[in-house]
Amino acid sequence: SQQGEEDPQALSIQEGENATMNCSYKTSINNLQWYRQNSGRGLVHLILIRSNEREKHSGRLRVTLDTSKKSSSLLITASRAADTASYFCATDYGNNRLAFGKGNQVVVIP
Amino acid sequence: DAGVTQSPTHLIKTRGQQVTLRCSPISGHKSVSWYQQVLGQGPQFIFQYYEKEERGRGNFPDRFSARQFPNYSSELNVNALLLGDSALYLCASSLARPSSYNSPLHFGNGTRLTVT
Repeated sequence: SQQGEEDPQALSIQEGENATMNCSYKTSINNLQWYRQNSGRGLVHLILIRSNEREKHSGRLRVTLDTSKKSSSLLITASRAADTASYFCATDYGNNRLAFGKGNQVVVIP
Repeated sequence: DAGVTQSPTHLIKTRGQQVTLRCSPISGHKSVSWYQQVLGQGPQFIFQYYEKEERGRGNFPDRFSARQFPNYSSELNVNALLLGDSALYLCASSLARPSSYNSPLHFGNGTRLTVT
């Protein structure tokens, strides 16, 4: 199936450090989105990057997209304990139906 | 404004039973989608509705069905429950039409279904 795949799947960092997650996909997309999920609750949309964009920022978040490599990365700078969550990338192939990866578990140690 | 609301929050059913899950989208959102999230995995697309019509269906058996009402709320029905149907069922709404991409989804907190 055409799904995003995140790498690494589990990350443990100290508060204040940066966290980087990567995501790859298989075919052409219209956009790629990152979501956060806390403890099995609903997903919260973080950032959407269109296929013609290469980098996007939102607060402490930075997302890059490399369509030639079919990959994206999410960087969280100056992490906080509240950033502890699972992070998912999701690809939209043009019909607003998302294909999610397996997710990255990020633990920020105070 | 209220976000996407789902009910019930938790549900325990026995194999073979039927279940109905409910979702109310954000006010003004006409598109509703359903996703299944098995523990430890990412959400999997089940259905997409827009203006009361089914606009997309994922790779799920016919035991799964859904509908959208005139007020844009939605129900997901699952018949003949199997143990493997145990999952978090997420509803999401969007302002955009399905053909109009580049619009994020707004998720509810989900219904945790346990099948015993």
